Amino acid sequence: EVQLVESGGGLVQPGRSLRLSCAASGFTFDDYAMHWVRQAPGKGLEWVSGISWNSGSIGYADSVKGRFTISRDNAKNSLYLQMNSLRAEDTALYYCAKDSSKGDSFAFDIWGQGTMVTVSS
Amino acid sequence: QSALTQPPSASGSPGQSVTISCTGTSSDVGGYNYVSWYQQHPGKAPKLMIYEVSKRPSGVPDRFSGSKSGNTASLTVSGLQAEDEADYYCSSYAGSNNLNVVFGGGTKLTVL
Repeated sequence: EVQLVESGGGLVQPGRSLRLSCAASGFTFDDYAMHWVRQAPGKGLEWVSGISWNSGSIGYADSVKGRFTISRDNAKNSLYLQMNSLRAEDTALYYCAKDSSKGDSFAFDIWGQGTMVTVSS
Repeated sequence: QSALTQPPSASGSPGQSVTISCTGTSSDVGGYNYVSWYQQHPGKAPKLMIYEVSKRPSGVPDRFSGSKSGNTASLTVSGLQAEDEADYYCSSYAGSNNLNVVFGGGTKLTVL
């Protein structure tokens, strides 16, 4: 079964850091670009960051650039998001998502269940 | 990286057709054929319905179709069914030589 399982979310104070993980299974992880997408409570989807299959191409939303770092370990079939200098507006459900095509379609066909990050003092 | 523009709501009766628009710029929707559409039911993860403007993943009913004209993409749902009631989001590759994706604000589709 193709599956993505996120972990690492929780309650954190403003200015602190958190590292999210996403464990992939059921597909050849290093064939696909991977992405993080977040959804604040009651709000829409927001793309956060993406990384190509070999980590050669990386992108970030302006809202997190300079504070968040995406990475992957193909040997461990895992995706990560290091989040520093967290702000209240980073509070959201964070989804890990797989690109639908080996050639990059920028469409996400597999999503995890999400991990909740709450930034509050 | 401005969000794509979608109408906040749309509605139709069972059996009818409804079209949801998604307006961007020549730097995203108009510049690439990488427009996707997602369906999200309450409390669930999004589901890919359309990719590369008009392609349907396996398992998505052919009642769902996508198109694009200039800077505006559209999702059409034909033969509306009760289970189509959900939030719909468009997204597009936004270039800049890196991985860069932008979503629309979402449209709540109500089946009357």
